[in-house]
Amino acid sequence: DVKVTQSSRYLVKRTGEKVFLECVQDMDHENMFWYRQDPGLGLRLIYFSYDVKMKEKGDIPEGYSVSREKKERFSLILESASTNQTSMYLCASIGSQGRRQPYEQYFGPGTRLTVT
Amino acid sequence: TQLLEQSPQFLSIQEGENLTVYCNSSSVFSSLQWYRQEPGEGPVLLVTVVTGGEVKKLKRLTFQFGDARKDSSLHITAAQPGDTGLYLCAGISNTGNQFYFGTGTSLTVIP
Repeated sequence: DVKVTQSSRYLVKRTGEKVFLECVQDMDHENMFWYRQDPGLGLRLIYFSYDVKMKEKGDIPEGYSVSREKKERFSLILESASTNQTSMYLCASIGSQGRRQPYEQYFGPGTRLTVT
Repeated sequence: TQLLEQSPQFLSIQEGENLTVYCNSSSVFSSLQWYRQEPGEGPVLLVTVVTGGEVKKLKRLTFQFGDARKDSSLHITAAQPGDTGLYLCAGISNTGNQFYFGTGTSLTVIP
């Protein structure tokens, strides 16, 4: 079974702090994603990555950055946390090589971040 | 940009009732997926529909992809408490690796 793990289930940070959210997948997937989930808005894509050291902006990248130094790990960074970044953050991955479309996204359990 | 609208946003029904959730867009997608998310967990894939007009059944769940590949519906027959959760549709781009999620429908089935 594909497993996507996130470093924390719950996190409380203060305004202005630098926040790191870590995501690791164990299935050698090329593509990894970071979403934030807010009630009534569904999942909104922050950043995604096709390969190591590659990154692409999603729909709401402002205030966030990402890092993908290793294939299995995709990190989301909040440079200076603000209260409007309080949300549920979900990491996902898909493997495309050797597979036919459409692909399935595998999600981690999420990190509920509160910024006070 | 929110491309997919789901309705209703909230649904609370009694066990045994039937329900339909809708997922609508003005955009065309190569395929569409439905996910279910339980509290404290990430979404899990239920089904993928790829052909306009396609109907897929998964036990008591029936999924339909619109003829124009812009919309989809999920029908649940004789709902059970285990169906409780957040249902999300996701349209997929032609490249296959960009997913556009709907606004979500939170379903509660009361025993």
